[in-house]
Amino acid sequence: DAKTTQPPSMDCAEGRAANLPCNHSTISGNEYVYWYRQIHSQGPQYIIHGLKNNETNEMASLIITEDRKSSTLILPHATLRDTAVYYCIVRVASGGSNYKLTFGKGTLLTVNP
Amino acid sequence: DAGVTQSPTHLIKTRGQQVTLRCSPKSGHDTVSWYQQALGQGPQFIFQYYEEEERQRGNFPDRFSGHQFPNYSSELNVNALLLGDSALYLCASSRRPVYEQYFGPGTRLTVT
Repeated sequence: DAKTTQPPSMDCAEGRAANLPCNHSTISGNEYVYWYRQIHSQGPQYIIHGLKNNETNEMASLIITEDRKSSTLILPHATLRDTAVYYCIVRVASGGSNYKLTFGKGTLLTVNP
Repeated sequence: DAGVTQSPTHLIKTRGQQVTLRCSPKSGHDTVSWYQQALGQGPQFIFQYYEEEERQRGNFPDRFSGHQFPNYSSELNVNALLLGDSALYLCASSRRPVYEQYFGPGTRLTVT
């Protein structure tokens, strides 16, 4: 799986958009970008994933650059409950034999009142 | 629709003892993965079970073993516990062939 680089921490004001960057310059053509988050002492929570088109769901939007070497997770209106560690992971979506998720250290997003 | 459940929530054991952790996958899921998360670190993959067989294993010693039952639930066993085994143990389920995984709340194991 391709390696990812994320800033160790970010701050955001409550009600504002939180934009979390991720670099994945060695991503392969069949690898997707996945985002998970982990609120303190809970299990990681799946947020969103995408291949090359921008994706949006009820939680967030995912913007992937045209060359697919980087992406941004956007939380449009951050709340205090969005304070968590956010992990960016790149991997194939199905098939093959490598099933594990490889977590880095992620980005600690702190939403301030 | 029940999500991934794990038991127990917390556990305290002594060095050298053995422990069994349990996981029930999300409804409709057939694959269970186990992860270990030390304090301040991201989760580390231990192994994954599908069709009652271990399909992939991370860099963990043989003291870590597992099992999957016909109803897709799973157990993680750790023998000869070490202080370094103290961690949050996470179970994640998915449905082949898709890799999107859903995590349970975890079991906090403390080894004294």
